[in-house]
Amino acid sequence: GENVGLHLPTLSVQEGDNSIINCAYSNSASDYFIWYKQESGKGPQFIIDIRSNMDKRQGQRVTVLLNKTVKHLSLQIAATQPGDSAVYFCAEGRNYGQNFVFGPGTRLSVLP
Amino acid sequence: NAGVTQTPKFQVLKTGQSMTLQCAQDMNHEYMSWYRQDPGMGLRLIHYSVGAGITDQGEVPNGYNVSRSTTEDFPLRLLSAAPSQTSVYFCASSYSISGSTDTQYFGPGTRLTVL
Repeated sequence: GENVGLHLPTLSVQEGDNSIINCAYSNSASDYFIWYKQESGKGPQFIIDIRSNMDKRQGQRVTVLLNKTVKHLSLQIAATQPGDSAVYFCAEGRNYGQNFVFGPGTRLSVLP
Repeated sequence: NAGVTQTPKFQVLKTGQSMTLQCAQDMNHEYMSWYRQDPGMGLRLIHYSVGAGITDQGEVPNGYNVSRSTTEDFPLRLLSAAPSQTSVYFCASSYSISGSTDTQYFGPGTRLTVL
């Protein structure tokens, strides 16, 4: 909704540049991670996921990097476009059960 | 497939009123859940269900009830609304239950204001 993200960190990038959004997760037992994109007034939309037995996974224009040593996750978006403007959430989960813990999110603003 | 649908899209309640937020999915997903989203915070799990007839509490269950009489529907009930329940509510579903992880598909949300 429109009120989501009032106090969120914001990343501003020029159209065409690459974006890197970071996320620190809390539970060293988490073994499954997802990045979601949420546009204003809409529900979160799946972008890409990664399991703990990997440290990198690539999708279309997106790459997720996982550093288990420091419990850090990042989302890289190549050639950022205006349509990429949204709030991005990371979520961590464990293999047994579906109860993910979501980060507070980062607002990505793409400048023309 | 319509995916995950939620009604209503917007709702205003007075303190003490009750209401039910509807959620339905047509993907034959076993797992369904309700989250609330507040400014500056991530999604927080209210209740979830791993199949028809089975529900359990999440992180913030107080003030909310759920039931799962069918695979398709997972309504969320507020018995006596409080201003602290002003939030945006999202329903989500996924195919698999415990033993594996799977992508959750989210509905469009219900914006609830309690005066």
